[in-house]
Amino acid sequence: ETGVTQSPTHLIKTRGQQVTLRCSSQSGHNTVSWYQQALGQGPQFIFQYYREEENGRGNFPPRFSGLQFPNYSSELNVNALELDDSALYLCASSLRVTANTGELFFGEGSRLTVL
Amino acid sequence: DAKTTQPTSMDCAEGRAANLPCNHSTISGNEYVYWYRQIHSQGPQYIIHGLKNNETNEMASLIITEDRKSSTLILPHATLRDTAVYYCIVRSHTGGFKTIFGAGTRLFVKA
Repeated sequence: ETGVTQSPTHLIKTRGQQVTLRCSSQSGHNTVSWYQQALGQGPQFIFQYYREEENGRGNFPPRFSGLQFPNYSSELNVNALELDDSALYLCASSLRVTANTGELFFGEGSRLTVL
Repeated sequence: DAKTTQPTSMDCAEGRAANLPCNHSTISGNEYVYWYRQIHSQGPQYIIHGLKNNETNEMASLIITEDRKSSTLILPHATLRDTAVYYCIVRSHTGGFKTIFGAGTRLFVKA
């Protein structure tokens, strides 16, 4: 186990709704990244948070947003859900030091189904 | 970040070494080679990484060619639990904050 926990593990929403996914990072890790993984594909980078600020973003629209809290936990929010948002959402924590070194530690993911 | 090319799938007999190749011909001098794996319905798991020297840990060995354009991940004694998708990734350690995953190699370990 990595020590990264995500909730909820599964959820079902309908088109147009909003969803919030939560991630608790591994103890001592100050950076959280979020990934979207569609069925049969590799994880796609959404964004990364470091010191409570977005620190890089992939090719995702603004309706994907996030937060990082002082305890380094994080939320991913998706507004106006679309059918294509159905995927496994993965949170990964890491320790950022002077350079962006260190491996990523992933949680088990939140599986979102949009109907 | 440089792109990688991996075979779509591979088979390996249980107890034998699994050798997973990765091509990264456009790798830059400051980019490391990372390997992760993802067992069905779980999050990806870090395996190993290296810059230019071969690396070994308790899980695997990483062999990087001298020109750094390709590498091989070696699982010395594959077990059924090693059946997973294996991702080869290249990324820098400065200024690069996103780890780009490709489609990976689906390794089937057979009894």
